[in-house]
Amino acid sequence: QVQLVQSGAEVKKPGASVKVSCKASGYTFKSYGISWVRQAPGQGLEWMGWISTYNGNTNYAQKFQGRVTMTTDSSTSTAYMDLRSLSSDDTAVYYCARATNVDTALGPWGQGTLVTVSS
Amino acid sequence: DIQMTQSPSSLSASVGDRVTITCRASQSIDSFLNWYQQKPGKAPKLLIYAASYLESGVPSRFSGSGSGTDFTLTLSSLQPEDFATYSCQQTYRTPPTFGGGTKVEL
Repeated sequence: QVQLVQSGAEVKKPGASVKVSCKASGYTFKSYGISWVRQAPGQGLEWMGWISTYNGNTNYAQKFQGRVTMTTDSSTSTAYMDLRSLSSDDTAVYYCARATNVDTALGPWGQGTLVTVSS
Repeated sequence: DIQMTQSPSSLSASVGDRVTITCRASQSIDSFLNWYQQKPGKAPKLLIYAASYLESGVPSRFSGSGSGTDFTLTLSSLQPEDFATYSCQQTYRTPPTFGGGTKVEL
């Protein structure tokens, strides 16, 4: 079955970077893009960006431009999200989700990765 | 960015009830509207895409309707496993944006 499995929880200090991985299985990796969405504690969902697994093209939310980098490794069917200059406001659960294009519905989703930013 | 407003933010219901959740967009989004279900500590799950199309494997008691700016998600007969938070999402314009969620409680 189609599955996205993310890396484990992270604790980072302010100013640091975090890299979250998302390993896909059960389908042809390069046929679907990957979106990243985060959810701060008790808050709603926030779209961060999308990457084409076919050619590496990206579309980032303006809020994260310059601070986020999304990449993929088709040899391992894995997508990565790198977020830099972390602050406490970045404490959230980060999700990857399969998405054909930036304007399509998201599904299925990874299980989520909790990133805690604390001094 | 397009703002998505859901109402109510929470509701109390009983098993067997018919439940309707509303999502309003700050501008017309045609039918580029998706609905997700999220249970505590779990990832969201796609229920409805393009306003009214049921995702594969989702029970037929879920339905979606609307176009333009006003949309609804209806649960025809609430089941115990349906107590969760429901969120809408527009994908008409980048960035895709989500509503604040509606928590359906017992």
